[in-house]
Amino acid sequence: SAVISQKPSRDICQRGTSLTIQCQVDSQVTMMFWYRQQPGQSLTLIATANQGSEATYESGFVIDKFPISRPNLTFSTLTVSNMSPEDSSIYLCSVRDRANTGELFFGEGSRLTVL
Amino acid sequence: TQLLEQSPQFLSIQEGENLTVYCNSSSVFSSLQWYRQEPGEGPVLLVTVVTGGEVKKLKRLTFQFGDARKDSSLHITAAQPGDTGLYLCAGLYSSASKIIFGSGTRLSIRP
Repeated sequence: SAVISQKPSRDICQRGTSLTIQCQVDSQVTMMFWYRQQPGQSLTLIATANQGSEATYESGFVIDKFPISRPNLTFSTLTVSNMSPEDSSIYLCSVRDRANTGELFFGEGSRLTVL
Repeated sequence: TQLLEQSPQFLSIQEGENLTVYCNSSSVFSSLQWYRQEPGEGPVLLVTVVTGGEVKKLKRLTFQFGDARKDSSLHITAAQPGDTGLYLCAGLYSSASKIIFGSGTRLSIRP
């Protein structure tokens, strides 16, 4: 298993500002994933954060809006840039298990409200 | 467009009743997972099914993977209030390492 800590757990932001979410894992992992979950809905994959290379973004998500850093095997950040009310959501960091059996472990998420 | 469609989207039933949640796709997956998510927490894995036609049981929960590996179902027997939550199916593609989630089913069990 993996224990994932996210900061901040929640924040209220003004339109046009940017916020960086941090994700810390208690063990080294190859791949980290960032998901978005809008209120009452399912999870949508934003990007895969790879250590030592640029993140891989899913359709509809771009690096300018959601820059990601992955400086080492236990840490990643996701920035939500130039926020608008439509960015209000829960952002979840996730990792695959060490044995790569496919199980995802999640942090508790970061709830962003953009006014 | 959601690649994995779940039905129903919402379900509210009385304690003790049975229910089935469906997860359907036009894509073939190497494996399929079911997660449950409670408010303020991340999803937690319930089961992974790998082989077409596979059936797995977890106490009162029965999971089935379709023969063609495109769909799955979750059946709960004698539902209890503790079963309340958001149920998510998730598909893994053999050619990619990412996991895609279904549209979700919000289940509420009334005492």
